[in-house]
Amino acid sequence: ELKVEQNPLFLSMQEGKNYTIYCNYSTTSDRLYWYRQDPGKSLESLFVLLSNGAVKQEGRLMASLDTKARLSTLHITAAVHDLSATYFCAVRIWETSGSRLTFGEGTQLTVNP
Amino acid sequence: EAGVTQFPSHSVIEKGQTVTLRCDPISGHDNLYWYRRVMGKEIKFLLHFVKESKQDESGMPNNRFLAERTGGTYSTLKVQPAELEDSGVYFCASSLDPAPEQYFGPGTRLTVT
Repeated sequence: ELKVEQNPLFLSMQEGKNYTIYCNYSTTSDRLYWYRQDPGKSLESLFVLLSNGAVKQEGRLMASLDTKARLSTLHITAAVHDLSATYFCAVRIWETSGSRLTFGEGTQLTVNP
Repeated sequence: EAGVTQFPSHSVIEKGQTVTLRCDPISGHDNLYWYRRVMGKEIKFLLHFVKESKQDESGMPNNRFLAERTGGTYSTLKVQPAELEDSGVYFCASSLDPAPEQYFGPGTRLTVT
């Protein structure tokens, strides 16, 4: 069974600091996603990573993928309060019945002024 | 374009009662997924519809859960009778086909007391 592990699960950081969220997964996948969720809101897609060595950046967030290590990272640069949210990584797996997403537990990020 | 919508946003019911959750996918999306997040844990797959057919229902926890998608448009997820452990946030997602990313609704928070 595919396992997706995120750490840390809770992260409290000060504005202006840098930090990294890690996502490990246990089996081969062809696609890794990062989502953001604000309380009561939809899961918002941040990044889709397709291949080994893929790196994508949007604003203060940068995601990378190492398929050999089965590891993805979400790096936060110079955090601001608006980045406070819960971040999920998810891995797509294919089965005979089709594809599904398997999620990590989520990282609840709080950025303090 | 309207996103995925879910109703209600929050439901509080007593153990043994019945609750029906509704999901309206993005218009034209044949694929509809249900997921659940229980007790702040990972978001888990429940089932996948392609149009009105259940493609994969391997994630449904037990026979107290019944999902339908009449006419291949909106979907309902009925829990009958509800148990305490059914409390959580139920997400719906849709996609044009299994390959690209899934678009998520805001979720329904179900509390069983």
